[in-house]
Amino acid sequence: AQTVTQSQPEMSVQEAETVTLSCTYDTSESDYYLFWYKQPPSRQMILVIRQEAYKQQNATENRFSVNFQKAAKSFSLKISDSQLGDAAMYFCAYIGSGGGADGLTFGKGTHLIIQP
Amino acid sequence: GAGVSQSPSNKVTEKGKDVELRCDPISGHTALYWYRQSLGQGLEFLIYFQGNSAPDKSGLPSDRFSAERTGGSVSTLTIQRTQQEDSAVYLCASSLDIAGGSYEQYFGPGTRLTVT
Repeated sequence: AQTVTQSQPEMSVQEAETVTLSCTYDTSESDYYLFWYKQPPSRQMILVIRQEAYKQQNATENRFSVNFQKAAKSFSLKISDSQLGDAAMYFCAYIGSGGGADGLTFGKGTHLIIQP
Repeated sequence: GAGVSQSPSNKVTEKGKDVELRCDPISGHTALYWYRQSLGQGLEFLIYFQGNSAPDKSGLPSDRFSAERTGGSVSTLTIQRTQQEDSAVYLCASSLDIAGGSYEQYFGPGTRLTVT
């Protein structure tokens, strides 16, 4: 079974600074997809960024980028120029290329605090 | 277009009662997922529907849980004889047909279930 580990229960960063959230995973599959989701207090889970395992290039979405290290099974999220609206729980998630039958496997989450 | 909608937003019920939670996926999304989010267990995958195909129910926590999807669209998660440990946020997500290679799941706002 796949597992996803987020070792940082909570992170704090000053507004406008850069922060990196860590995620590692364990899988025996060679093809899969990784995601970062954001969950603010409103409870709505919002997709931040996705990475296909077969792509060597790291995904980027505006201020959000990932550092995907396939051999190390590491998938960290970097948030540049942090904004107050970035404050939320961040979840790393995995799904195999076999499709949705097993759903997403989530980490326990990292609570990100933005200091004004 | 409209996102994933769920109803009710909040539900308080007495132990032993049955509850029904509803999910309306994004139009055109053939895949639908249910997850449970609780403090102790984090985010757990419950069940997955692909179109009109019969789902794999092995992820459901107990035989008190059942789910159906009518006409390949709206889904209902039913919990019979609710127990206090069923208290959680129940999240629904949908995605495009996985055959198209898109595994991005879009989540609804969830239903917070409280069993007293």
